[in-house]
Amino acid sequence: DAEITQSPRHKITETGRQVTLACHQTWNHNNMFWYRQDLGHGLRLIHYSYGVQDTNKGEVSDGYSVSRSNTEDLPLTLESAASSQTSVYFCASSGTKQETQYFGPGTRLLVL
Amino acid sequence: RKEVEQDPGPFNVPEGATVAFNCTYSNSASQSFFWYRQDCRKEPKLLMSVYSSGNEDGRFTAQLNRASQYISLLIRDSKLSDSATYLCVVNPTGTASKLTFGTGTRLQVTL
Repeated sequence: DAEITQSPRHKITETGRQVTLACHQTWNHNNMFWYRQDLGHGLRLIHYSYGVQDTNKGEVSDGYSVSRSNTEDLPLTLESAASSQTSVYFCASSGTKQETQYFGPGTRLLVL
Repeated sequence: RKEVEQDPGPFNVPEGATVAFNCTYSNSASQSFFWYRQDCRKEPKLLMSVYSSGNEDGRFTAQLNRASQYISLLIRDSKLSDSATYLCVVNPTGTASKLTFGTGTRLQVTL
């Protein structure tokens, strides 16, 4: 069955370290998204991509970067982790003309 | 003003009760609307889309009021398994792109 996976599921890191969160989908979806979810906030869009080599900034992109070298993967990199980036991170994907987004299981990141 | 606003709850209701959630959105040009369900420590999943004419899926009914810019979700005959957080979601542009999520309304159904 097609699916979307994230790894690691849990991560503890230290302030200043570079961290990369993986997202992999097997639906062959063109659209992929990264969100963070914090108490008191809805899911907030970090970065998104509409296809290979395409990346765009979302509303909370500072301190994060993504790259899209193939259809299946959209890794999220925290260049220099900060305590404010402690959060739950969700990756999602959707088809080209499809509004419904399918979410991965999430990655819980703790920055000490 | 937040783009999508929801009452965070929690709504505590007994099994069998009917419960309704409302959500307001600020962008009058918004095109598409959805309800997602999120269980504790899990990912959001689409519950249902919301159409202008209103739509029903079993015990769940969604309504859209464009004039007042609000969306509602009605759950009839609540089950214990309905306990979750319900996210109101708006697509401002109508394209297969960015969605705007509310913070969610938590529902707890009790015996």
